[in-house]
Amino acid sequence: GQNIDQPTEMTATEGAIVQINCTYQTSGFNGLFWYQQHAGEAPTFLSYNVLDGLEEKGRFSSFLSRSKGYSYLLLKELQMKDSASYLCAVMDSNYQLIWGAGTKLIIKP
Amino acid sequence: GAVVSQHPSWVICKSGTSVKIECRSLDFQATTMFWYRQFPKQSLMLMATSNEGSKATYEQGVEKDKFLINHASLTLSTLTVTSAHPEDSSFYICSARDPLAELNEQYFGPGTRLTVT
Repeated sequence: GQNIDQPTEMTATEGAIVQINCTYQTSGFNGLFWYQQHAGEAPTFLSYNVLDGLEEKGRFSSFLSRSKGYSYLLLKELQMKDSASYLCAVMDSNYQLIWGAGTKLIIKP
Repeated sequence: GAVVSQHPSWVICKSGTSVKIECRSLDFQATTMFWYRQFPKQSLMLMATSNEGSKATYEQGVEKDKFLINHASLTLSTLTVTSAHPEDSSFYICSARDPLAELNEQYFGPGTRLTVT
């Protein structure tokens, strides 16, 4: 079966760095997405990786290793507004998104 | 970026009634739209894939006669929850894929919170 694993909850301090890991097992691979979702709102797109390596976009970076079925989202210079759930999703061979359960990130002052 | 709208943003209805939710792609034509449901503190659950001009593809366990999907144009898909019950209360989110976009990302609507009393 298809499976996406990510930690349920993480806590970090304002100004610090946090890494959210995601491992996956899917039938086929057409890219991995990270989305941010604030409570009561729809997800918003953060990043997309289809090739191995690191993609950097401002304070957020995403890494992918296809051979290991592994990705992480790195958030730097954490701000209180970064408190949200972060969803890892993999696009399978049918171009359908398989979603992880999300990681709730709590930022403390 | 591409914009997807949903209407209404929230709705309260009585048990046994039907509710229609609209999903529109505002600045692109979406041949494929997706309908998700999300219960509190849970991840997104794909309900169905809606293709313009053809029947929707429902995920296992989703009743197609209860959740009617119509994708009549390239910019509009509707989800009708028929004979709603309290257990249908949830956050319903649609998304759309822009076939001309460089990435395969899905653009999400703001969601519709349905409460069935």
